[in-house]
Amino acid sequence: GAGVSQSPSNKVTEKGKDVELRCDPISGHTALYWYRQSLGQGLEFLIYFQGNSAPDKSGLPSDRFSAERTGGSVSTLTIQRTQQEDSAVYLCASSLRSTEAFFGQGTRLTVV
Amino acid sequence: AQSVTQLGSHVSVSEGALVLLRCNYSSSVPPYLFWYVQYPNQGLQLLLKYTTGATLVKGINGFEAEFKKSETSFHLTKPSAHMSDAAEYFCAVSKGFGNEKLTFGTGTRLTIIP
Repeated sequence: GAGVSQSPSNKVTEKGKDVELRCDPISGHTALYWYRQSLGQGLEFLIYFQGNSAPDKSGLPSDRFSAERTGGSVSTLTIQRTQQEDSAVYLCASSLRSTEAFFGQGTRLTVV
Repeated sequence: AQSVTQLGSHVSVSEGALVLLRCNYSSSVPPYLFWYVQYPNQGLQLLLKYTTGATLVKGINGFEAEFKKSETSFHLTKPSAHMSDAAEYFCAVSKGFGNEKLTFGTGTRLTIIP
């Protein structure tokens, strides 16, 4: 596609449920990132995939969070047993080596 | 470790006035520096970037920024503010080639006063 696509755009879930957020990066981009943006906060790094290298998971806030990237393309961010503090906008971005990151529109997650 | 500090979470300027958004960084290696803009309910859009070479970089919508190594700064400026510039602006740093993970500042919300 022409840009980074994220789905769903909005997700409301009950506390304790699991959710999956999807990111389709720009075709051919080797790097993929997930960030979280909470109300009034900056962008918090979550995880970074670069080609076939082991992902940098240093930003994942707890073991309830996980992400995978299948076939070097689509990525899924999974949050297990969601909590209210997980409510945020989750942003995905992709890039080629040494170029800027292109961001998707984000998924707004609300945990009720 | 890298970090970015944006001074002023909110900045207000009059339409037609100079826009100055401040960004200071720390990095253990020569950094790559970026400014992104986020309009309400939208994703982030790149305004400009510095990688190597000329330290004054020009971006979209009339914005520019100057990399000053001695001051570890990368401030964003625009000579004359327009109402459409109202948005949130994020400064970011990465280690560059081979490690493009971006570290963002907390953002500056720019308000334009008519």
